[in-house]
Amino acid sequence: RKEVEQDPGPFNVPEGATVAFNCTYSNSASQSFFWYRQDCRKEPKLLMSVYSSGNEDGRFTAQLNRASQYISLLIRDSKLSDSATYLCVVLKTSYDKVIFGPGTSLSVIP
Amino acid sequence: NAGVTQTPKFRVLKTGQSMTLLCAQDMNHEYMYWYRQDPGMGLRLIHYSVGEGTTAKGEVPDGYNVSRLKKQNFLLGLESAAPSQTSVYFCASLEGNRQGSTEAFFGQGTRLTVV
Repeated sequence: RKEVEQDPGPFNVPEGATVAFNCTYSNSASQSFFWYRQDCRKEPKLLMSVYSSGNEDGRFTAQLNRASQYISLLIRDSKLSDSATYLCVVLKTSYDKVIFGPGTSLSVIP
Repeated sequence: NAGVTQTPKFRVLKTGQSMTLLCAQDMNHEYMYWYRQDPGMGLRLIHYSVGEGTTAKGEVPDGYNVSRLKKQNFLLGLESAAPSQTSVYFCASLEGNRQGSTEAFFGQGTRLTVV
């Protein structure tokens, strides 16, 4: 089993839609969690960190459930510019390994 | 701000040739990583380093070697390239200080084709 798994996608949604991505991780020693965004043929970039209490950044909301080892990302009012691959990322407790999920592709359609 | 710089950006190798990919960061980060990204596979960790002079194996280390002789540089070597190593390679660095940022910064990638 992979350490980090994500919805396979792709997600094709109309502008203005709300879309949710799910991610699960297998190692309970995982310490920190993030969502990264990767545009086609570009390097990944940090979208937001994920905190146990849940956190929001504009149209984006991230949730963490440590008991279920589950992370989610909700995007409200989707824009064309949100089209990208979204990567779930887990940082191990020892801060040495940064493990990426396989990513979920999102296409926002006019 | 240069951040993380990878060289070269593109390369075509013949099977059996060797090459070294260079990753340089100017943020004084302790941790550095090499990943490969293949379609549908996400980023897979090849090797990583938690400090100058130290390296460790990741998920897919076979066929690669690394060195971290200087804190700012992390080199990835392919001794005898194979077509299966055709991929996009990303380097990343992380501050490594628990009180500091845990954001990973990436280079722009190296597109390697082995024919």
